Amino acid sequence: EAGVAQSPRYKIIEKRQSVAFWCNPISGHATLYWYQQILGQGPKLLIQFQNNGVVDDSQLPKDRFSAERLKGVDSTLKIQPAKLEDSAVYLCASSPLVGGNYGYTFGSGTRLTVV
Amino acid sequence: RKEVEQDPGPFNVPEGATVAFNCTYSNSASQSFFWYRQDCRKEPKLLMSVYSSGNEDGRFTAQLNRASQYISLLIRDSKLSDSATYLCVVNVRTGTASKLTFGTGTRLQVTL
Repeated sequence: EAGVAQSPRYKIIEKRQSVAFWCNPISGHATLYWYQQILGQGPKLLIQFQNNGVVDDSQLPKDRFSAERLKGVDSTLKIQPAKLEDSAVYLCASSPLVGGNYGYTFGSGTRLTVV
Repeated sequence: RKEVEQDPGPFNVPEGATVAFNCTYSNSASQSFFWYRQDCRKEPKLLMSVYSSGNEDGRFTAQLNRASQYISLLIRDSKLSDSATYLCVVNVRTGTASKLTFGTGTRLQVTL
């Protein structure tokens, strides 16, 4: 079974620039999550999709972050404009319809450095 | 108060030692519990689920105490390859949605 695919693997941008990350979940997984992991901290949920609808985006800084999941499969996360404190690893995860007792499968992440 | 609290460590133990990690969670509505392992510069990977009756997977034993809102992970006969960060994770389900909340992780370093 193919895992969760993410790209790019690394990205370095200057503050105030824009950046976009892409995620392709495991085939058939209806639920997709974007997490932000700052160095030394655990992953923090930014947004959760079920199919192509948003279930939870309460911790997404909506003034600069946006995400979409067209056709309920791939997803993109965008930051515009980036700030220094956005430097982190952005992890995408997917799970069957309801995570329940199965946990999530994570992609390898995109490491963003804002300078 | 953080939703999931862990001692960040690091725990430095010799090979063969037994080590235990603890975790507390604040949301009494949490329904399922996990330990994830994260190697340096890698993504988190599910280590094991945690059940109220306690469960074991080889050298790893997980325990859950719902009354105290406390989760533990015991590693026996530590190996060098166990060196990693161990993340305590709780799942709260609301309606058809569920959300995993992660602790900051406990770093383990196993030495010769």
